[in-house]
Amino acid sequence: AQKVTQAQTEISVVEKEDVTLDCVYETRDTTYYLFWYKQPPSGELVFLIRRNSFDEQNEISGRYSWNFQKSTSSFNFTITASQVVDSAVYFCALFGNEKLTFGTGTRLTIIP
Amino acid sequence: EAEVAQSPRYKITEKSQAVAFWCDPISGHATLYWYRQILGQGPELLVQFQDESVVDDSQLPKDRFSAERLKGVDSTLKIQPAELGDSAMYLCASSQPGQGPNTGELFFGEGSRLTVL
Repeated sequence: AQKVTQAQTEISVVEKEDVTLDCVYETRDTTYYLFWYKQPPSGELVFLIRRNSFDEQNEISGRYSWNFQKSTSSFNFTITASQVVDSAVYFCALFGNEKLTFGTGTRLTIIP
Repeated sequence: EAEVAQSPRYKITEKSQAVAFWCDPISGHATLYWYRQILGQGPELLVQFQDESVVDDSQLPKDRFSAERLKGVDSTLKIQPAELGDSAMYLCASSQPGQGPNTGELFFGEGSRLTVL
């Protein structure tokens, strides 16, 4: 069985601070995919990024960066210079064995 | 920009009543998904359609839930009778050929929030 753990239920930071959202996963598959989604107050989930299990290269997209480490089964997400528009619930997810499993999400609040 | 449309956005009902949710995916998206998201949890797949055919309904509580996509376009999810534990957000998503849960590229609607009293 696969599992995604997001231990941080809620995080609040002051605008312009950096913040890291943690994600730890469990799977027996050797081939799998990891994702991050953003769920703003409007409700829809928005796809942010995908990494496959063979690519541990970190990625940066503007203020967003992702750190994938197979040795610790982690796929952490960092927002640099946070903005109020970053306030949302963020989900980490794992696709393996034909199944997509979401974590329980981290509610991020950016305080102006 | 094309969107996945869902209605109603909010539904309050009493237990034992019937409820229905509607989803219209992005045009051209052959695959349609219904997810249930209980407050404080991540979404869980209820049913997946490929055109009008059910691909996966292993997590759908079939004694009370039903889903259909008769013409392979829009879809309806029904609950009868509703129970207190059914209170959740019901999210519809769609994907185009070559995309899906394995690529992460699912397009979600804003969901239908159900409260069962």
